[in-house]
Amino acid sequence: DSGVTQTPKHLITATGQRVTLRCSPRSGDLSVYWYQQSLDQGLQFLIQYYNGEERAKGNILERFSAQQFPDLHSELNLSSLELGDSALYFCASSELAGDYNEQFFGPGTRLTVL
Amino acid sequence: AQKITQTQPGMFVQEKEAVTLDCTYDTSDQSYGLFWYKQPSSGEMIFLIYQGSYDEQNATEGRYSLNFQKARKSANLVISASQLGDSAMYFCAMREVYNQGGKLIFGQGTELSVKP
Repeated sequence: DSGVTQTPKHLITATGQRVTLRCSPRSGDLSVYWYQQSLDQGLQFLIQYYNGEERAKGNILERFSAQQFPDLHSELNLSSLELGDSALYFCASSELAGDYNEQFFGPGTRLTVL
Repeated sequence: AQKITQTQPGMFVQEKEAVTLDCTYDTSDQSYGLFWYKQPSSGEMIFLIYQGSYDEQNATEGRYSLNFQKARKSANLVISASQLGDSAMYFCAMREVYNQGGKLIFGQGTELSVKP
């Protein structure tokens, strides 16, 4: 158990819908990262927050947005969902932003868009 | 651009034997970190081992060791005495320490199957 929690574990929804994925980092970790794992794109970095502020942005679509709250939990919002958004979404956390510490991954949320 | 290449889509190894999973990387930065993660069929990402670009000695963690050859830009994972539970996907990843907040860039992965 990495100490990072993600809810829900599975999510099935329809095209055009909007969903929210939630992540709670390990206790004491200030930095949260979101990654998407799909068969065709592999594991891709989406976005990073550090202590409530956006720190880095990757291949995140404009239909996707994220935020980190004062209690450091983070949410990833996916809207106008398309079939291609079906993927495993990981949240990871680390103590600091750009250091050598490893990132601890949550169990992931498997999103299926029908 | 930073890139991680894992050229072995699948590997087989006999139980109790050692296996090497290849990883090469490309970066123009001097300071970076290299990681290996294991992803079993259940889907979670498990951190295995880390190597910093300035570390002079190869990292080891139990049965895992990282064969770091900086000049060749390779960071191969060696698993000694393979066990059936080692069957999983293995991902090599890189983080550039001073750039863009520490995101990880992953390779495509190698699927390891351990035969009894």
